[in-house]
Amino acid sequence: GENVEQHPSTLSVQEGDSAVIKCTYSDSASNYFPWYKQELGKGPQLIIDIRSNVGEKKDQRIAVTLNKTAKHFSLHITETQPEDSAVYFCAVSQFYFGTGTSLTVIP
Amino acid sequence: DGGITQSPKYLFRKEGQNVTLSCEQNLNHDAMYWYRQDPGQGLRLIYYSQIVNDFQKGDIAEGYSVSREKKESFPLTVTSAQKNPTAFYLCASSIYASDYGYTFGSGTRLTVV
Repeated sequence: GENVEQHPSTLSVQEGDSAVIKCTYSDSASNYFPWYKQELGKGPQLIIDIRSNVGEKKDQRIAVTLNKTAKHFSLHITETQPEDSAVYFCAVSQFYFGTGTSLTVIP
Repeated sequence: DGGITQSPKYLFRKEGQNVTLSCEQNLNHDAMYWYRQDPGQGLRLIYYSQIVNDFQKGDIAEGYSVSREKKESFPLTVTSAQKNPTAFYLCASSIYASDYGYTFGSGTRLTVV
């Protein structure tokens, strides 16, 4: 199956700063790259996704960039707020998930 | 409101017992999935189903069984053959089985006592 690596595993930022989480994958045929946010005790929630025919997608303060040649994609959160604190997971081709990044936004 | 419901939220099982986790969706999604979540290991796929009466094994299917008799329902049975069943179990659905985002349930935390 697909091998998905996610970094960093933990990330702390000051409120208002930006946060970047990166994932790499192994199968060059993969075409779909979603990101999920999981709050404590809850199921993950889809926050943004990108398909291989585009290089970047933005939705308000969050954006995802994709580099198919290098086989990596990244989640960018700008102007972070305390409510952004959660665990973020990348996924590849729907089935395969990264190991998660615990983001803490310090007020 | 449309959504996906997992029950119970917490479940305790004695060693050697089978236990069934419920998952119901009213989103009219074709595909349903079961994942297991352990600390530091992300989400690992147990089983998935693309249509009624059909399902496929994921990466860690051993010790688990599923059924898909109705489009809305995809129960997971954790059997006594599963050596380390204590975990957080997540059910999800998607409109189609290929390259569409998931809607997740709120999870069931299973503990073996």
